[in-house]
Amino acid sequence: IAGITQAPTSQILAAGRRMTLRCTQDMRHNAMYWYRQDLGLGLRLIHYSNTAGTTGKGEVPDGYSVSRANTDDFPLTLASAVPSQTSVYFCASRTSGSTDTQYFGPGTRLTVL
Amino acid sequence: TQLLEQSPQFLSIQEGENLTVYCNSSSVFSSLQWYRQEPGEGPVLLVTVVTGGEVKKLKRLTFQFGDARKDSSLHITAAQPGDTGLYLCAGAGGTSYGKLTFGQGTILTVHP
Repeated sequence: IAGITQAPTSQILAAGRRMTLRCTQDMRHNAMYWYRQDLGLGLRLIHYSNTAGTTGKGEVPDGYSVSRANTDDFPLTLASAVPSQTSVYFCASRTSGSTDTQYFGPGTRLTVL
Repeated sequence: TQLLEQSPQFLSIQEGENLTVYCNSSSVFSSLQWYRQEPGEGPVLLVTVVTGGEVKKLKRLTFQFGDARKDSSLHITAAQPGDTGLYLCAGAGGTSYGKLTFGQGTILTVHP
């Protein structure tokens, strides 16, 4: 059972470059999320998708875009990376039900120089 | 905007000591979750509390949800080095159905 996989594990990127972080889940969860984690700020929601074909903005969406062509994949794209986007990025998916449990991937550590 | 204030941000204790982490908000949540995260990995769910006043125990960990469902606490009894990690609280529901609002996290270090 893979759960959620993310790629790449880490990346160093020059400012101004385009980058896509990949996220795939095999649990057939409808909802998926992208968070960034920065020390002292916890996890902040970037974008989310409640079901395939729909997406929504989270708390910090600027500079990021997502797509949800199918249930399993939820890529996050940085169109033109800036140093403030240096962070650890986590993808998560959610079961349906009242407890709203989310399952997280292992993360992508991104450094923008 | 829903906010969760988590405290303390850092906690460094000796093995065998007890500790409590707090998570407070002015918003009501339908449930409150506690996650633990180890370096290089994603957060892993420890427990979900749903009912106001609910208390759940997981071995040496005790989780409590406030009566008004605005706050929660995590108490660890006789901490061990294996408890070291980042602890995160997260609120679900309220005005943001399906999305979680996370606290800032507590970095716990337990020294042998």
